[in-house]
Amino acid sequence: DIQMTQSPSSLSASVGDRVTITCRASQGINNYLAWYQQKPGRVPKLLIYAASTLQSGVPSRFSGSGSGTDFTLTISSLQPEDVATYYCQKHNSVPLTFGGGTKVEIK
Amino acid sequence: QVQLVESGGGVVQPGRSLRLSCAASGFTFSSFGMHWVRQAPGKGLEWVAVILYDGSIKYYADSVKGRFTISRDNSKDTLSLQMNSLRPEDTALYYCAKDAMYNWNYMDVWGKGTAVIVSS
Repeated sequence: DIQMTQSPSSLSASVGDRVTITCRASQGINNYLAWYQQKPGRVPKLLIYAASTLQSGVPSRFSGSGSGTDFTLTISSLQPEDVATYYCQKHNSVPLTFGGGTKVEIK
Repeated sequence: QVQLVESGGGVVQPGRSLRLSCAASGFTFSSFGMHWVRQAPGKGLEWVAVILYDGSIKYYADSVKGRFTISRDNSKDTLSLQMNSLRPEDTALYYCAKDAMYNWNYMDVWGKGTAVIVSS
């Protein structure tokens, strides 16, 4: 099975900073990658699918890129409401594996 | 509005069974794949199972294969997860999630979850 590895596992950044989270697949998955945001005590929310397509209603400061095995989620200007854990998920085939998560905090 | 409401969670002894349900509303349930995803306390997300829009194909994570069964009733807009031979490591919040398409891709709608605790 394909493994999904996220880095870093946590980060702390200032409001307004550019934040980048990476997700690496153990084998190529083309662009079949989704990103989710889970705020503390809340339900996961779809942010991006097909590596770079923004889900409706998601702020444009979020963007995704990558293909094959290496992917990134970027928050162009970190806001206080972005404090959350972010997960990547491969969606090319089953099992639909999630990455281990990246916890984003405000410095 | 699109909504998923899980039920059926609780405290159960190891080796026993539990059946979770998910009531869907606000969309054409019979047109979309459906998933169960779980999250152990303080841990990340783990995909559990998926069922095709018409119920004809099902897939499971290795960790639950042979013990859990996903099913759906499109006449009642309901998704179910029958969990047998439960283990302490099955303790988690179980989410019902709607796929964005008819099969298995990414999850665009999530329920609030139902908690399962496996303990003697």
